[in-house]
Amino acid sequence: ETGVTQTPRHLVMGMTNKKSLKCEQHLGHNAMYWYKQSAKKPLELMFVYNFKEQTENNSVPSRFSPECPNSSHLFLHLHTLQPEDSALYLCASSRVGGPEAFFGQGTRLTVV
Amino acid sequence: KNQVEQSPQSLIILEGKNCTLQCNYTVSPFSNLRWYKQDTGRGPVSLTIMTFSENTKSNGRYTATLDADTKQSSLHITASQLSDSASYICVVSARAGNNRKLIWGLGTSLAVNP
Repeated sequence: ETGVTQTPRHLVMGMTNKKSLKCEQHLGHNAMYWYKQSAKKPLELMFVYNFKEQTENNSVPSRFSPECPNSSHLFLHLHTLQPEDSALYLCASSRVGGPEAFFGQGTRLTVV
Repeated sequence: KNQVEQSPQSLIILEGKNCTLQCNYTVSPFSNLRWYKQDTGRGPVSLTIMTFSENTKSNGRYTATLDADTKQSSLHITASQLSDSASYICVVSARAGNNRKLIWGLGTSLAVNP
């Protein structure tokens, strides 16, 4: 285990559903990230939070809404998703400016 | 354009054999290069991080090399084991002022067969 825990591991949701992904880190880091990994594509950085403040949003559609209540927890709220949003969603954490990020196991999301 | 290209796309080897994975990049200004191992359905796990001045770095049976002049890196796996079956991803960090931007490769899918 890397010290970054994601729940749920698998999620199937309809296009009209609302669901949330959760990420928790026990490493004392102060930066957290959401990534999307689709088949045959490189990892795509979605959001970055440093010290609970969002510092990066890489043109992510508003149907993805992140929330970072503290440096240890990160959520990704999902609503009215599309089938092309099906992917592995990875959370990571690091020290702000640190060279290495630690990843969670990911949530495999399927939108039907 | 910042880009990371990996080869081969996939590779099948027999248990106990060695193999070498390649990473070519066109990232500037360069900060560091990382190799990650990603098991199917899991998050990536860091194997090595190399800075500009490092040519070779080992982590057990994994040895990474970096040639900053030709902008190439390789990951050599010695005496492969079944558990080495995974995707190996090369990631290059580009400096952008006080920030760093990570450029991810597509990965090489390695299958180690008994």
